Amino acid sequence: DVQMTQSPSTLSASVGDRVTVTCRASQTIGTWLAWYQQKPGKAPKLLIYDASNLQSGVPSRFSGSGSGTEFTLTISSLQPDDFATYYCQQYHGYSLYTFGQGTKLEIK
Amino acid sequence: VQLQASGPGLVKPSETLSLTCTVSGGSISHYYWTWIRQSPGKGLEWIGYVYYSGVANYNPSLSSRVTISADTSKNQVSLKLTSVTAADTAVYFCATSSVGSNYYYDSWGQGTLVTVSS
Repeated sequence: DVQMTQSPSTLSASVGDRVTVTCRASQTIGTWLAWYQQKPGKAPKLLIYDASNLQSGVPSRFSGSGSGTEFTLTISSLQPDDFATYYCQQYHGYSLYTFGQGTKLEIK
Repeated sequence: VQLQASGPGLVKPSETLSLTCTVSGGSISHYYWTWIRQSPGKGLEWIGYVYYSGVANYNPSLSSRVTISADTSKNQVSLKLTSVTAADTAVYFCATSSVGSNYYYDSWGQGTLVTVSS
């Protein structure tokens, strides 16, 4: 199974900051990776797919990069609506798609 | 497309958890439908998917207990998980991709909380 490890687990930042969340895979997954944003009591929202493709309707301040085993989600200038928990998800192979443990983005 | 997960909110240990995802605003045909769960305060766990034709694929850790099926006549997808324990207490989401992908999900139901307790 491919294990996904996110860092940091918690990130404190201020409005306007540039922030980066990292996701590492236990084995190479190409660019088979998505990023989601989840707010309390809500379903996750797709932000990025195939490592770097911005989902329609998602603000351009969100971007994704990486391939192989290391990936990053960057928010170029934090907005108040961005404080949430972020998850990566790999979809390499056919039998098990796994999520990272999440990164909670908090207001500093 | 809108997804609505529903089912009993309380299931007894050793019994079977049964949930339905009702799809509106579109047909389930020609798409993959996935179930994902989230234990209270925890992360997301992929359970498995079904293609509208009935072909399914499951998380190996759950495969002996899980069945996901599709009913095109009712435009519904169902999840059955047998022999549940407290560890199966979670919010259960159904999800899909509007572009027919099997891999990532841009449409989600609101989630339904299932508690396993006697």
